[in-house]
Amino acid sequence: GAGVSQSPSNKVTEKGKDVELRCDPISGHTALYWYRQSLGQGLEFLIYFQGNSAPDKSGLPSDRFSAERTGGSVSTLTIQRTQQEDSAVYLCASSALDTQYFGPGTRLTVL
Amino acid sequence: GESVGLHLPTLSVQEGDNSIINCAYSNSASDYFIWYKQESGKGPQFIIDIRSNMDKRQGQRVTVLLNKTVKHLSLQIAATQPGDSAVYFCAVLRGDSWGKLQFGAGTQVVVTP
Repeated sequence: GAGVSQSPSNKVTEKGKDVELRCDPISGHTALYWYRQSLGQGLEFLIYFQGNSAPDKSGLPSDRFSAERTGGSVSTLTIQRTQQEDSAVYLCASSALDTQYFGPGTRLTVL
Repeated sequence: GESVGLHLPTLSVQEGDNSIINCAYSNSASDYFIWYKQESGKGPQFIIDIRSNMDKRQGQRVTVLLNKTVKHLSLQIAATQPGDSAVYFCAVLRGDSWGKLQFGAGTQVVVTP
């Protein structure tokens, strides 16, 4: 079946602009996760949605970052007033149980 | 908190040889461990996982070993192939921090002919 998909694959924006990144999880997966990966680094947890429970936002680096998950499926990560240090690959994953399956990521470049 | 580390940033291995990638974790409450492979420009791909009630698990050409006494995890790749060239991450999950995978920094595996 289809895996996790993310869009856009690449996004270039100017400092101070807002961006929205989209994630379509694997159908039937109740959990959805967002991570950030800076160049040559491991993955940094951002936020986690599980079913209808309140999301775990403990990894969001600032209040400029927010995410929502509509209808228990698609999720959008929004970064307001982007800064150059926000440049990274943003990865989404979904899971039915423990194993998280990742999408290809969105490469965000803030000029 | 949890810290997850990999012992070597880069591993160069000859095609056909076995590869061993190591990972250390700090929290004894960690109970689920995963190895991911990430090729350039792609998201991490699940390879194999192991729970804390096991010390060894085998997949196709891969074996994961878990030593809870010293909090050490390893991934062994048998008969390494050029397609195995990638960055390998270990990830650790604690039962009381559901969903929050802690990733190591990654080991770059380079397979030479």
